[in-house]
Order: sequence, then structure tokens, then C-alpha cells
Amino acid sequence: GENVEQHPSTLSVQEGDSAVIKCTYSDSASNYFPWYKQELGKRPQLIIDIRSNVGEKKDQRIAVTLNKTAKHFSLHITETQPEDSAVYFCAASSSGGGADGLTFGKGTHLIIQP
Amino acid sequence: DAGVTQSPTHLIKTRGQHVTLRCSPISGHKSVSWYQQVLGQGPQFIFQYYEKEERGRGNFPDRFSARQFPNYSSELNVNALLLGDSALYLCASSLAGGDEQFFGPGTRLTVL
Repeated sequence: GENVEQHPSTLSVQEGDSAVIKCTYSDSASNYFPWYKQELGKRPQLIIDIRSNVGEKKDQRIAVTLNKTAKHFSLHITETQPEDSAVYFCAASSSGGGADGLTFGKGTHLIIQP
Repeated sequence: DAGVTQSPTHLIKTRGQHVTLRCSPISGHKSVSWYQQVLGQGPQFIFQYYEKEERGRGNFPDRFSARQFPNYSSELNVNALLLGDSALYLCASSLAGGDEQFFGPGTRLTVL
């Protein structure tokens, strides 16, 4: 089955700086890669996703890049703000998020220092 | 516009008991997936249902079962509870099985 590795486990950045979180996956059939943000005690919230026919996708301060050859994808957050502090999870699926579910990484705790 | 809802919010059970968790998807969504999230880990896939049929199952024992009703709501059942079943159980809703999944607030299950 799919295996997703995520790093770093904790990332501390100064407010206004950029943050990058990286994930690798094992199943070359994976074709859907979402990112979720989870604040303490709350539900995971979908923030951005990318499918395998696209190399990069942006939404305001957030971007995701995908390298299918190397089997890795990354989340980039620019101009970080205090409200960006949360745990971020990457995930992968070979059925576009369908029958095999999503395989999640272990999460990155992002801390924004004022 | 209501999001995914789950009930109950919290639940405390003892070993060997049975539990039923409930989920209502976003209006118009026909697929429901269930995940288990242990503290400090990412969610782990348990089941996916689409149009009342099981479409996928993760690596969980037969003590775990689920079903989806004609109104697309879903139940997750866990029999013979173990201490290790203590976790946050999340339901995710999507239009069809292969679309973006939106999570509910979860049910926090504690097994004593």
C-alpha cells in the first residue's frame, strides 16, 4: 500500500517569513495530493490540493508543487501570519481520493513566532 | 450551509463494549469516508461508502463495520472495544468517491 513520509515534524518560522513542508510517497499510481490544516481540537480543513497532471498550484499565499518523477510534493506558505500556526498534513491517493481513501503523513506542527 | 456533522461529540466506553458513531454529509454529497486519528498522528482510512455501497476498506479488523443509508448519512460500528480504539473518529464527505473530502468535527472515543 501507499506510504507517505512528511518532514519536518516541527517547523518554527518568524512571522512574515516563508514556510516549506515536504512529503514523499511510495506508490507511483498515486494521482491526488491534498493538504489539510488542523488547529488544536478542530477538524482537518482542506487548504489546497493538486492532481498528477499539474506541476504547481497556487492560492494566494499558499502553493503546492509536485514532482512525479521523484515522488515528492511540497507545501509553500509565504508571508506567514500568526493564524497559520497549526498542524499541517499531506496525503496521497491512487484513486483520486476515492476507494482507497487518503494516506496521510504524520503531520508538521508549524509555529509562527511573533 | 451546513457542513459535515457527527454525533456524539464525545463518548466514553469500557473494554468489550460496542459503539455506534454517526455522520451526516454535506447536502448533495453522496460519498462518506471514515478515518481514525490517534493523538499525534495523521488520520488513518477505515472505510469509504458511495451510493450506499462499500467502495474501499483500510487495514482494520472485522470488529469495525459501517453502513450508509438512503439519505447518505452513515454509521460506523465498533465491536468488542479495545483500549487501543481510543481515538478521534472522523467522517469525511465528498460529492463522489474521487473528489475533495471535507471532514466533520469528529467523535472523541475513550475506551477505559
